[in-house]
Amino acid sequence: SQQGEEDPQALSIQEGENATMNCSYKTSINNLQWYRQNSGRGLVHLILIRSNEREKHSGRLRVTLDTSKKSSSLLITASRAADTASYFCATVVSGSARQLTFGSGTQLTVLP
Amino acid sequence: EAGVAQSPRYKIIEKRQSVAFWCNPISGHATLYWYQQILGQGPKLLIQFQNNGVVDDSQLPKDRFSAERLKGVDSTLKIQPAKLEDSAVYLCASRDRSLPGYEQYFGPGTRLTVT
Repeated sequence: SQQGEEDPQALSIQEGENATMNCSYKTSINNLQWYRQNSGRGLVHLILIRSNEREKHSGRLRVTLDTSKKSSSLLITASRAADTASYFCATVVSGSARQLTFGSGTQLTVLP
Repeated sequence: EAGVAQSPRYKIIEKRQSVAFWCNPISGHATLYWYQQILGQGPKLLIQFQNNGVVDDSQLPKDRFSAERLKGVDSTLKIQPAKLEDSAVYLCASRDRSLPGYEQYFGPGTRLTVT
């Protein structure tokens, strides 16, 4: 079963705007990761946030984690057409064998 | 550094036929995963290997799916016989167990269509 659920399922924005995607999960986690999947390509790791962290930045990416609400958000600032992709959150559940459990993904379209 | 390699990239078979997928992980990565990704969904773990041993195959439909990693490097995933609902992208991923991060590196996947 899917551990995380992304919201929204699809998002369409103009180039230069910011994109925010949300992820909710069900059980206690060790860490939460965000991956990007372009059409025809495999998944690429974007950023990892541990359960004791609240916010993390990497370039134009900003991730927040609220363990009390079991939710995370991914913000992409100043979006580009090349950011068009599906974005997945994936959790590593506490005590698991370092396995990722993926959500259902958000399809982001950035219009030029 | 070469990434995770998978072949074939695409495969079309009829139901009840058999099919095999191959994966070569990043050199030195002891942990290898196979995922199934149905259109519109996130990847679902099928099996996890540590070197040549199975760590978890609880979500592998063992009546038709099998996987092996005999020498702790390359791995093959087989489906026999295939069903229509097996149509999906099969992703292979690997991870370096010695690194503190838990991120996985994915191959491009094999898109299977069962008709």
